[in-house]
Amino acid sequence: DAKTTQPPSMDCAEGRAANLPCNHSTISGNEYVYWYRQIHSQGPQYIIHGLKNNETNEMASLIITEDRKSSTLILPHATLRDTAVYYCIVRVGGYGGSQGNLIFGKGTKLSVKP
Amino acid sequence: DSGVTQTPKHLITATGQRVTLRCSPRSGDLSVYWYQQSLDQGLQFLIQYYNGEERAKGNILERFSAQQFPDLHSELNLSSLELGDSALYFCASSPAGRSTYNEQFFGPGTRLTVL
Repeated sequence: DAKTTQPPSMDCAEGRAANLPCNHSTISGNEYVYWYRQIHSQGPQYIIHGLKNNETNEMASLIITEDRKSSTLILPHATLRDTAVYYCIVRVGGYGGSQGNLIFGKGTKLSVKP
Repeated sequence: DSGVTQTPKHLITATGQRVTLRCSPRSGDLSVYWYQQSLDQGLQFLIQYYNGEERAKGNILERFSAQQFPDLHSELNLSSLELGDSALYFCASSPAGRSTYNEQFFGPGTRLTVL
């Protein structure tokens, strides 16, 4: 699996967009980019994933560069409840039982401040 | 609420003891994963089961074992406990069927403290 690099920490003002970068320069053609977050000591929570197109859901947007070597997770209007550690994970997809385990790095600790 | 349940929430025990952590996946999910999160190691994958069969192993110690039962709930057994086994243990489940997603739904975790 490709290795990812994320800044250890970031701050964001409440109500502003939070842009979290991730580098994955060794990503393979069949690997997806996944984002999870972990609020305090709760279980990690899936946010979004993408292959090469930009994706948006109710939680966030994912922008993947054309060469797929980096991506940005965007929380459009950050709230205090978005304070968490955000993990960028690169992994192949899978079917049923072949869906593999997630390999978590250290992630980015996002602090949303009032 | 992810739909994954874990019991107990907290567990305090002594070195050398054995404990069992239990996980119930979301309804219909066939895959169960166990992860360990300690302060110095971060989130580490331990083991995966799919429909009762072991599918993948990560950094799981020989003192640890797991199984998935016919009703799809899973148990993680930790024996000869050491101080370093103190950690949060998470269970996750993922949907069955054809999907290229690796969306996993995590439970609230079991906090194990070994004294």
